[in-house]
Amino acid sequence: EPEVTQTPSHQVTQMGQEVILRCVPISNHLYFYWYRQILGQKVEFLVSFYNNEISEKSEIFDDQFSVERPDGSNFTLKIRSTKLEDSAMYFCAAGTPGGNHGELFFGEGSRLTVL
Amino acid sequence: AQKITQTQPGMFVQEKEAVTLDCTYDTSDPSYGLFWYKQPSSGEMIFLIYQGSYDQQNATEGRYSLNFQKARKSANLVISASQLGDSAMYFCAMREPNEGVRFGAGTRLTVKP
Repeated sequence: EPEVTQTPSHQVTQMGQEVILRCVPISNHLYFYWYRQILGQKVEFLVSFYNNEISEKSEIFDDQFSVERPDGSNFTLKIRSTKLEDSAMYFCAAGTPGGNHGELFFGEGSRLTVL
Repeated sequence: AQKITQTQPGMFVQEKEAVTLDCTYDTSDPSYGLFWYKQPSSGEMIFLIYQGSYDQQNATEGRYSLNFQKARKSANLVISASQLGDSAMYFCAMREPNEGVRFGAGTRLTVKP
């Protein structure tokens, strides 16, 4: 069973619609991350989440984006008013605390296609 | 400024030979972690190896080893005895305390039979 499960695996949406991507880590990870990878390009950091709040966000993570962990298990990324350029693979990752420990577990990704 | 630099957009290696994928990083924090991930054409991110900044020895995981040169701020990945299944994108990444993990631009490795 994977450490991190993401749903949906693929979502197609119309421009201007809102999408919610979900992530469920199975172990007691304390740090959670969202990354974006536009096809064929680098993996871009969006946001990190610790202790039920955002610990860091990149310049990509503007007001269009939000994250929450409402029930202590699901970690969601909401993208409001999607744009064509939001089409990408979105990866959730979870890890152990601290800056000098262990691996970051990635989900299999959610592919978002905005038409 | 780039925190993680991978200068090789593409690399070729003959099957069964060893290959080194370069990675340099930039940080002023003494505590950090370095990672290598493999991304095959199927798209998933597969963890390969981790090196902590205080680790005295180079990390090894099977055919993967990390050539950690702290003074030069480099963390090259060495893959020994390359296999056709090693063909993929390889990403170097760094985690600093209280910051997200940042990735390099990646190196596409092609193993030739």
